[in-house]
Amino acid sequence: DAKTTQPTSMDCAEGRAANLPCNHSTISGNEYVYWYRQIHSQGPQYIIHGLKNNETNEMASLIITEDRKSSTLILPHATLRDTAVYYCIVRVEMNTGNQFYFGTGTSLTVIP
Amino acid sequence: AAGVIQSPRHLIKEKRETATLKCYPISRHDTVYWYQQGPGQDPQFLISFYEKMQSDKGSIPDRFSAQQFSDYHSELNMSSLELGDSALYFCASSFFGGPGDTQYFGPGTRLTVL
Repeated sequence: DAKTTQPTSMDCAEGRAANLPCNHSTISGNEYVYWYRQIHSQGPQYIIHGLKNNETNEMASLIITEDRKSSTLILPHATLRDTAVYYCIVRVEMNTGNQFYFGTGTSLTVIP
Repeated sequence: AAGVIQSPRHLIKEKRETATLKCYPISRHDTVYWYQQGPGQDPQFLISFYEKMQSDKGSIPDRFSAQQFSDYHSELNMSSLELGDSALYFCASSFFGGPGDTQYFGPGTRLTVL
């Protein structure tokens, strides 16, 4: 089930903000949006998550539209180490756990 | 704090052999998830356990089984290995009911089947 849609790849200049969009038009009311990134075959790294409100932490900001059908991950000052595949995931809440369905992700390349 | 630990980090097996992958969750986490990532593919959910009981099942082959033990560590047992089982296997853990049930991933086990 394709729950999220992301651009396949994006470039960003070092020091600039990287804005990564994600569409999740079939999201339901109790489903969270998560962002992870994976740097070349390492374990996916948690970045941020949200339900309705915009969220910010030390790594990034998450902007969720009012209708919750899309969101944007913002890396405020991209560095070369931010080059990775970024996954937008809608958490499917089950009775006793939560499944993550990884989409194809966005391959972000930060350019010097 | 220590993260999720997976062992071994690398494993080479022959076709039709068996393999056992181990996962040690973050302290106090009660839920463990297994994912498989083939070459050039995205991680695919296999199976999860909550409080030592299987909670959800994804695309796990019948040749694979898993369990979670009393100390919350988990093992993924793979039998009759096939070439197509060559992949990265990630384990993640979370505290069910915690803030957002965020999953934290281990470094993975790279399985190569020859």
